[in-house]
Amino acid sequence: RKEVEQDPGPFNVPEGATVAFNCTYSNSASQSFFWYRQDCRKEPKLLMSVYSSGNEDGRFTAQLNRASQYISLLIRDSKLSDSATYLCVVTRGGSYIPTFGRGTSLIVHP
Amino acid sequence: ETGVTQSPTHLIKTRGQQVTLRCSSQSGHNTVSWYQQALGQGPQFIFQYYREEENGRGNFPPRFSGLQFPNYSSELNVNALELDDSALYLCASSLGGGAPDTQYFGPGTRLTVL
Repeated sequence: RKEVEQDPGPFNVPEGATVAFNCTYSNSASQSFFWYRQDCRKEPKLLMSVYSSGNEDGRFTAQLNRASQYISLLIRDSKLSDSATYLCVVTRGGSYIPTFGRGTSLIVHP
Repeated sequence: ETGVTQSPTHLIKTRGQQVTLRCSSQSGHNTVSWYQQALGQGPQFIFQYYREEENGRGNFPPRFSGLQFPNYSSELNVNALELDDSALYLCASSLGGGAPDTQYFGPGTRLTVL
């Protein structure tokens, strides 16, 4: 089983839709969690960190469920510019070494 | 623009050859991490350099080696290239250890091994 797993998609949604991605992790010692965004043929960029209490940044909401070992990303009111690959990142306790998921592709169409 | 630059942008090599990729970190950053991203996959951590010393290594064979210079720029060297080494190689710079939320990625070098 991979340490970090994501549904590769693609998720194909119309503008204005709400879409949610999940990411599961296998190591219960995992400590820090993040969502990155990667546009086609570009470098990854940090979208948001994921805190135990959940956090929101505009149209984006991230949640962590330690008991079930998954994190989620909710995007409300999708824009065409949200089309990208969303990468889940997990680090183990006591280490900054990140493990990336393979990413979930989102396509927002008019 | 993150201020992290990589060279070259693209590279084509043949099996068995050696390659050196370069990364200039953002001003003031003393940590560089290298990643390999195969097509359709997420980046995989190769190693990290902090103040010229290796500070963590992923599951890559010894033919992947690196170096960090006093100005904190870095090189990734890959010997005896294999077809599976074809990938986008990303470097990321940060200050003091490189937690994922402090890293800034460069645009990458796309390596093709024939």
